Formats: sequence, C-alpha cells, structure tokens
Amino acid sequence: AQRVTQPEKLLSVFKGAPVELKCNYSYSGSPELFWYVQYSRQRLQLLLRHISRESIKGFTADLNKGETSFHLKKPFAQEEDSAMYYCALLNAGGTSYGKLTFGQGTILTVHP
Amino acid sequence: DADVTQTPRNRITKTGKRIMLECSQTKGHDRMYWYRQDPGLGLRLIYYSFDVKDINKGEISDGYSVSRQAQAKFSLSLESAIPNQTALYFCATSDPATGANVLTFGAGSRLTVL
Repeated sequence: AQRVTQPEKLLSVFKGAPVELKCNYSYSGSPELFWYVQYSRQRLQLLLRHISRESIKGFTADLNKGETSFHLKKPFAQEEDSAMYYCALLNAGGTSYGKLTFGQGTILTVHP
Repeated sequence: DADVTQTPRNRITKTGKRIMLECSQTKGHDRMYWYRQDPGLGLRLIYYSFDVKDINKGEISDGYSVSRQAQAKFSLSLESAIPNQTALYFCATSDPATGANVLTFGAGSRLTVL
C-alpha cells in the first residue's frame, strides 16, 4: 500500500534561514509526487509537482528514489511562507488510479 | 466566484443527526473527491468519483455515503453523526485530461458533532 510520511508536525525557523520540510513515501511503482500548501484563511493549493521540476516561491523539491524522499527546500525562508504543507503521492496504477494520498502535514512557522 | 463551492461552511450538530455536506464545481471536471482533515492525521480520502456513474470508497468511508447528482455536484452524507466525525471536510476536483493530476480544493466545511 502506498504511504506518505511527514515526520515533523511543526517546524519553526527564523526569517532568512534555510528550511527543509521532509517527506518520505512508500510506493511500488514510479511515483508522482506533489507539495500542497494551505496559507492562513486560504484554500489548500498546489505548490509544486516533481514532474515539472519547477521552483515556486523559491521552493524546490527533488525526488530521490533511492531514499524514497521528496523533501521541500527553500534557501531563505520568508514570513509569508508560514503555512501548512502537505506532501502527496499519486496512485498511478490499477483501479485506484488518480487518487492522491496525503501525508500528515507540517506546520511551518517563520519567525521575524 | 469560487470554482469549487462547499456548503455549509460551518455546522454544529448533535450525535445521531443526519448531515449533508454539498459540493458544486464550475470547472467542468469529471473527478471529484471528499477528504477530511484532522490535526496530526493530515488529509484522508473518504470517497471519490471519477464520473457521474462511478463512486469509490476511500480509506475512511465507514459512516459516510455520497451522491454524485451531476458532473458538477458531489454530496457527502453522515447518516448518523458521531463526535469523532468532528473535522474539517474538503471537496476537491481534478481533470486528468490536462495531464496534471492536480486537485482544486473547496474552502472546507467545518463540522462539529456534539
């Protein structure tokens, strides 16, 4: 069964410090992974997906198949990055194709 | 106007009552989902529907039922609410035809069962 683990419920950093939100997954096939973000009083929304290999709001995430990880990184955190972050894994096979499995979420707080 | 609209946004009810949460979308997406969010547990899938005639259970479907009345509408029902169904419920849609597999979420419905 596929699983997504975000080991940190809470993560606090100071403005300007690097930040890394951890995500590990368990999946037998070729994974398709996403990071979603929920800012205060806003809807949950896509931040980035690994197949795009894009950088959004300074965040990047690299898929490491050997370590089964998809950590989210930003070199210099900003206060507006404070939010709930979810890692998600797409079920890309069988009858469950198209389902997303989410991790437990990490609340990031960036202090001034 | 929001692409994915959930009603009600907040509801307080009592144990044993029947509750319906409604979701409508203007995105024209075939796929719709219901998730619940609990602190420390993240988002868990309750039910999903890939088209009007397709309904599937998610990982925590017990105690819930759904109805896909039309492409644009997907309702979640709690036949007899219990306190551990107190949570924030999210509806979402997706359109795999774009190749993106990206979910668009509603604003959420906060349900409290006393």
